[in-house]
Amino acid sequence: EAQVTQNPRYLITVTGKKLTVTCSQNMNHEYMSWYRQDPGLGLRQIYYSMNVEVTDKGDVPEGYKVSRKEKRNFPLILESPSPNQTSLYFCASCPTPGSMNTEAFFGQGTRLTVV
Amino acid sequence: GNSVTQMEGPVTLSEEAFLTINCTYTATGYPSLFWYVQYPGEGLQLLLKATKADDKGSNKGFEATYRKETTSFHLEKGSVQVSDSAVYFCALLGRYGNNRLAFGKGNQVVVIP
Repeated sequence: EAQVTQNPRYLITVTGKKLTVTCSQNMNHEYMSWYRQDPGLGLRQIYYSMNVEVTDKGDVPEGYKVSRKEKRNFPLILESPSPNQTSLYFCASCPTPGSMNTEAFFGQGTRLTVV
Repeated sequence: GNSVTQMEGPVTLSEEAFLTINCTYTATGYPSLFWYVQYPGEGLQLLLKATKADDKGSNKGFEATYRKETTSFHLEKGSVQVSDSAVYFCALLGRYGNNRLAFGKGNQVVVIP
């Protein structure tokens, strides 16, 4: 089954404790992206990746890191989480940006709470 | 850069009422346009899409027409059901240059029996 898998689904952590949220897709998609969703602000893009070893900042990259060492995985790293990073996070993938009929596939989300 | 603007505020309406959610966009070139839906406690799902001017996307009774002259992609449904209660996001994917997927802020739709 074609899917985007995020782990964990729920996470409560303390300020400053490094964490990684994993994202994996089994569709051989080139493009992957991370979003955060906050009430009243909708979805805001954190980072995206056009292909392996190619990553770029989105609209709200501060406090986050990503890596794309292989096509299927795109982990989101919070080196020193802070309470303002409490949010609902979504990973998404697209076959190839810029091609006709492209659509994004989303993971089920990771609800992160930083205390 | 590419951006999407959705009408402000939640939408509350009665069952069988007509639903419209406005969406306008700014983009270089000719983007693909999408509506995504998020049901309570779930991730985003593609509802419908249009890839060129004058295309009409449709699914589950929802429709949206890609209007290049007004840079709009408004979502409509003629008779909503309680099960349509969800958050709806308009989005675009650039085709040239800036290829980032951009979302609007979303609209909460609540359908009352």
